Amino acid sequence: QKEVEQNSGPLSVPEGAIASLNCTYSDRVSQSFFWYRQYSGKSPELIMSIYSNGDKEDGRFTAQLNKASQYVSLLIRDSQPSDSATYLCAVNQAGTALIFGKGTTLSVSS
Amino acid sequence: SAVISQKPSRDICQRGTSLTIQCQVDSQVTMMFWYRQQPGQSLTLIATANQGSEATYESGFVIDKFPISRPNLTFSTLTVSNMSPEDSSIYLCSAREVAEAFFGQGTRLTVV
Repeated sequence: QKEVEQNSGPLSVPEGAIASLNCTYSDRVSQSFFWYRQYSGKSPELIMSIYSNGDKEDGRFTAQLNKASQYVSLLIRDSQPSDSATYLCAVNQAGTALIFGKGTTLSVSS
Repeated sequence: SAVISQKPSRDICQRGTSLTIQCQVDSQVTMMFWYRQQPGQSLTLIATANQGSEATYESGFVIDKFPISRPNLTFSTLTVSNMSPEDSSIYLCSAREVAEAFFGQGTRLTVV
């Protein structure tokens, strides 16, 4: 059974701080890794994808991948109240559907 | 990224009836999927919609309950059959371009 694990939170950070979200996965042959943001009542929105070990930065977001440890993380710098949402980690192999974690709820207080 | 239109956006249905949800993508995509998201929960994969052949269902989901069609590379439907209150959920269509997957706006189904 392929599993993706996330701490459900809620993770609470003050505005301007760094939010760190973590994810582990069970299937060693997973090839692609994604972070989605989901606002309440909305569908998931892709914010980051990462395919190789190391860091990938896009604006205030940095995704980190460590395949040896089967670990993916998302850092959000200078957190804003608009970042308050549920963040879903997803993984897959080529040609298969994404498997999602349960999500981490982030709350950024102003 | 692909733009995915899903309809209806919401519906309230009587138990024992069926509802068909439509998913239209603005470009040809290799893969389409259907997910269910129950309140406060993450996304559960129902099936992979295969173009021109029967869908591939995940454990716990069967074709008689959730028949799926995919007549071409841009369109798919999911039917929720013989509905019960336990089927109340959000149903999401997803399409993959290469590696990344995108979602329709979802269908919020309430069965009474």
